[in-house]
Amino acid sequence: KAGVTQTPRYLIKTRGQQVTLSCSPISGHRSVSWYQQTPGQGLQFLFEYFSETQRNKGNFPGRFSGRQFSNSRSEMNVSTLELGDSALYLCASSLPLLGANVLTFGAGSRLTVL
Amino acid sequence: AQSVSQHNHHVILSEAASLELGCNYSYGGTVNLFWYVQYPGQHLQLLLKYFSGDPLVKGIKGFEAEFIKSKFSFNLRKPSVQWSDTAEYFCAVTGTTDSWGKLQFGAGTQVVVTP
Repeated sequence: KAGVTQTPRYLIKTRGQQVTLSCSPISGHRSVSWYQQTPGQGLQFLFEYFSETQRNKGNFPGRFSGRQFSNSRSEMNVSTLELGDSALYLCASSLPLLGANVLTFGAGSRLTVL
Repeated sequence: AQSVSQHNHHVILSEAASLELGCNYSYGGTVNLFWYVQYPGQHLQLLLKYFSGDPLVKGIKGFEAEFIKSKFSFNLRKPSVQWSDTAEYFCAVTGTTDSWGKLQFGAGTQVVVTP
């Protein structure tokens, strides 16, 4: 079956702009999580959605937001981009299965902020 | 606060050598533990997981890991590495009652296997 699909794969923005990233989970998966990966900070949790509701949020400023649609697809948005937002943004989906949940990751969207 | 510590940031070894990557975690409660691998240019893939039961778990590509609860450790091992094992390895933990999709990752260990 198809994996987790993220679009776009690469994008370049300038400071102050905003960006929207999209994630299509594996068919049947209802939970979507987002992570930021940078060389300095590693993999950091951004937020998680299930049934169109945000269930958890990491320690990121309010410029980072997301949403989930009724078909479980998710988007994340970063407004007023800063140079430090340059990163690989990873989306992961899961069924979920309480106590035994496994995340499957997409290839990521690589954002460069100039 | 939850944390995951991976002992080595970089490991270089020759083909056929044995590999052991250390992972310790700090978490107040029952945990689920994972090792993910990121091959060059590829996405994060699950190597193996521990939920409960036998503390010695086997994963893909000949990898195994041992959960030692008393030491809060989940070390990854492979008896004989191949050049294709060159990758970055991440240990991750989540609580069993935590949000399903919230993993705490370690900083990662870059493993380079030389021919």
